Amino acid sequence: DAGVTQTPRHEVAEKGQTIILKCEPVSGHNDLFWYRQTKIQGLELLSYFRSKSLMEDGGAFKDRFKAEMLNSSFSTLKIQPTEPKDSAVYLCASSWDNNERLFFGHGTKLSVL
Amino acid sequence: QQKVQQSPESLIVPEGGMASLNCTSSDRNVDYFWWYRQHSGKSPKMLMSIFSNGEKEEGRFTVHLNKASLHTSLHIRDSQPSDSALYLCAASDNNRIFFGDGTQLVVKP
Repeated sequence: DAGVTQTPRHEVAEKGQTIILKCEPVSGHNDLFWYRQTKIQGLELLSYFRSKSLMEDGGAFKDRFKAEMLNSSFSTLKIQPTEPKDSAVYLCASSWDNNERLFFGHGTKLSVL
Repeated sequence: QQKVQQSPESLIVPEGGMASLNCTSSDRNVDYFWWYRQHSGKSPKMLMSIFSNGEKEEGRFTVHLNKASLHTSLHIRDSQPSDSALYLCAASDNNRIFFGDGTQLVVKP
């Protein structure tokens, strides 16, 4: 089942470190989303790509969060520098287009000490 | 960024009962709605979608949409313990997809 693949599943970082999360979307999907999920804030949209072009750059998340999609089958989310408040589950999702259902990866659980 | 509001925050229903969940968007550009279900420790999975005014039924699940008020609701009849999960409403403005904070449903045997 070639769904959305995210690595790593868990990441522990020290405050101030740089971390890179990876995502492989479903083959053929044109849209890719990065979300952050916490109990307090729920699911927050970080970035959105359509056919590899950045459509949404995260607003309030712009300063330390940078998502890239260098090819249609791979995306990264860099957090630099990390802060304890970044501790959350980071979810990557893809779809054929934005009017179709999203397929989510298992997520990366980030803990920043 | 909170364009989607869900209520109630949490809901407890007895097994076999009816669960009713609500969702409203404050953005008049929104025109597509989905309901996702997320079991504890898992990622969200789409349950149902609705794009036109009216009602759509799939098994025990029914969704309603009123596009004028940008309100959608999800009704689960004959609720089962396996329905216990976080239910997330999502809305699209034909560009981005936003999620509400969810309704935590607990179905008690």
